[in-house]
Amino acid sequence: KNQVEQSPQSLIILEGKNCTLQCNYTVSPFSNLRWYKQDTGRGPVSLTIMTFSENTKSNGRYTATLDADTKQSSLHITASQLSDSASYICVVSAYNSNYQLIWGAGTKLIIKP
Amino acid sequence: NAGVTQTPKFQVLKTGQSMTLQCAQDMNHEYMSWYRQDPGMGLRLIHYSVGAGITDQGEVPNGYNVSRSTTEDFPLRLLSAAPSQTSVYFCASSYMDGNTEAFFGQGTRLTVV
Repeated sequence: KNQVEQSPQSLIILEGKNCTLQCNYTVSPFSNLRWYKQDTGRGPVSLTIMTFSENTKSNGRYTATLDADTKQSSLHITASQLSDSASYICVVSAYNSNYQLIWGAGTKLIIKP
Repeated sequence: NAGVTQTPKFQVLKTGQSMTLQCAQDMNHEYMSWYRQDPGMGLRLIHYSVGAGITDQGEVPNGYNVSRSTTEDFPLRLLSAAPSQTSVYFCASSYMDGNTEAFFGQGTRLTVV
């Protein structure tokens, strides 16, 4: 069964600190992996999209990594800001006659001043 | 540039009532989809459309209908609301298919009492 699991479920860190969020997946056949940021009361917004051949992708202070062999991804946030408080969702795309997105439940990140 | 616009933002229905959630996009995207988001779970696909006049079922289609008469609009109809349909609903659009970057509306929080 295609699944995406994220850890931790929630995380609280102080402003200015770094953090890393984890995503493990069992999805086949793999097409790409995405990270979304979802602010409270808003729709998800795309941060990165990585294909099988990409190991690292950055978007400002956000850096995503992908290990296709171990089926793991991480999202590293550098020098966190209060505006980084949000849920971060890992999504894996699979292709079986059409594209299917398998969504993780997300990690809720709280940045404290 | 409005992107994806959903209305209403909040709605309370009584069991058995019907209603339509509106979704419009101004990016000329072919692919549109509806998701529901429940606490502790990943987004689940309700219905999707690959272009005007073409719709298909997603993971959880029961109790919902869709139509796509134009490229811009993709309304979601609840036929006879049930408490199990209490959720946050998101409409999304993508340029070509489910594998390209998805842009989300702000969501509709629906409560069925």
